[in-house]
Amino acid sequence: EVQLLESGGGLVQPGGSLRLSCAASGFTFSTYAMTWVRQAPGKGLEWVSVISGSGGSTHYADSVKGRFTISRDNSQNTLYLQMNSLRAEDTALYYCAKVKDYYASGSYPDCWGQGTLVTVSS
Amino acid sequence: DIQMTQSPSSLSASVGDRVTITCQASQDISNYLNWYQQKPGKAPKLLIYDASNLETGVPSRFSGSGSGTDFTFTISSLQPEDIATYYCQQYDNLPQTFGQGTKLEIK
Repeated sequence: EVQLLESGGGLVQPGGSLRLSCAASGFTFSTYAMTWVRQAPGKGLEWVSVISGSGGSTHYADSVKGRFTISRDNSQNTLYLQMNSLRAEDTALYYCAKVKDYYASGSYPDCWGQGTLVTVSS
Repeated sequence: DIQMTQSPSSLSASVGDRVTITCQASQDISNYLNWYQQKPGKAPKLLIYDASNLETGVPSRFSGSGSGTDFTFTISSLQPEDIATYYCQQYDNLPQTFGQGTKLEIK
């Protein structure tokens, strides 16, 4: 059974940084791309970033490009999202999700974690 | 970016009703369209992939159709456990984009 457990969320001041982690189990982690999707309180879903199975290919939403960095450690079955220069509009529940295939594009999330809440406020 | 326009934004129906949600893409996305269900306080769950394929384990009362720019999601006979918000999502182009969601309630 696929299990994804996010951690690292919390309260941070505007301009601050956080690193989210997602521990994966139940599947061969390195053979699947992984993605982050966020949901602001009471709002819809927003795709944030995706990384290929090897970690060699990454893509970002324009809203986070240059501020967020997605990475993965296939030896530890863990996905990361380094978030810098945080803004109030980054406040959201951040979901990590397994992608259906190996490649970063042309596929979609098929299993989701329960999310970790990031609140950006002074 | 590809815009996904979903309607209605909310819907109230009775148990046993047939429920239909539509999703329109701002450009041709072929069949690269999924439907997700999100129950209150829970993570999204994939129901339909590639516009019309039922994900393993999903009840057959859920179905999807369409291609190009116009897509439909149907629940053939609404059950109490189907109370949720439903989202369409395109993955033809990055960034992947979602519809704004349809909140389904029981009448």
